[in-house]
Amino acid sequence: GESVGLHLPTLSVQEGDNSIINCAYSNSASDYFIWYKQESGKGPQFIIDIRSNMDKRQGQRVTVLLNKTVKHLSLQIAATQPGDSAVYFCAENNRPGTASKLTFGTGTRLQVTL
Amino acid sequence: NAGVMQNPRHLVRRRGQEARLRCSPMKGHSHVYWYRQLPEEGLKFMVYLQKENIIDESGMPKERFSAEFPKEGPSILRIQQVVRGDSAAYFCASSPGAGANQPQHFGDGTRLSIL
Repeated sequence: GESVGLHLPTLSVQEGDNSIINCAYSNSASDYFIWYKQESGKGPQFIIDIRSNMDKRQGQRVTVLLNKTVKHLSLQIAATQPGDSAVYFCAENNRPGTASKLTFGTGTRLQVTL
Repeated sequence: NAGVMQNPRHLVRRRGQEARLRCSPMKGHSHVYWYRQLPEEGLKFMVYLQKENIIDESGMPKERFSAEFPKEGPSILRIQQVVRGDSAAYFCASSPGAGANQPQHFGDGTRLSIL
């Protein structure tokens, strides 16, 4: 079936550097994407979302880029901090136009070194 | 402003027993979703409910698993006659309404261990 996947299982970055986490999705009909951060022992925490009619959206220290041509999504974190260490998941809405289930990727672990 | 509340946080059951997991959505949210997560994996959708209705249960096993979201009270995910393979973290999420493109907000999960 359709799936969302990530290229890198673990990403190590130095504190202060920028991080880029990538995600490939296969359902070309998906129209809504979300990035979540999950810390150990906790639930996924919403970071930022983007609709398919946009190619970029910025939040506080985070930017999500969407390339529909190659079905690629990325999360950029500026000036990465130790508190950013976590597993990051991208997720897509399986039923465009309605509230529905999300399909999650397998996750990328971000390790911030001092 | 309470978020999604799940209890218990940890639940231990012996094979053959029943497990009941509870989820109270965020205030004002009428849509509830249950997901399951194995270690080092992403979340897998199980079931989507609105008040008193199951909207999508395509990810939930047909046997032993059931879910409800009554008019009053929390949503319940029930697993009967648990087996070792049911050990996982179960997460509940909620969203405000029927509109598209509204983020789901998650609780901190129930970690189910089967002895």
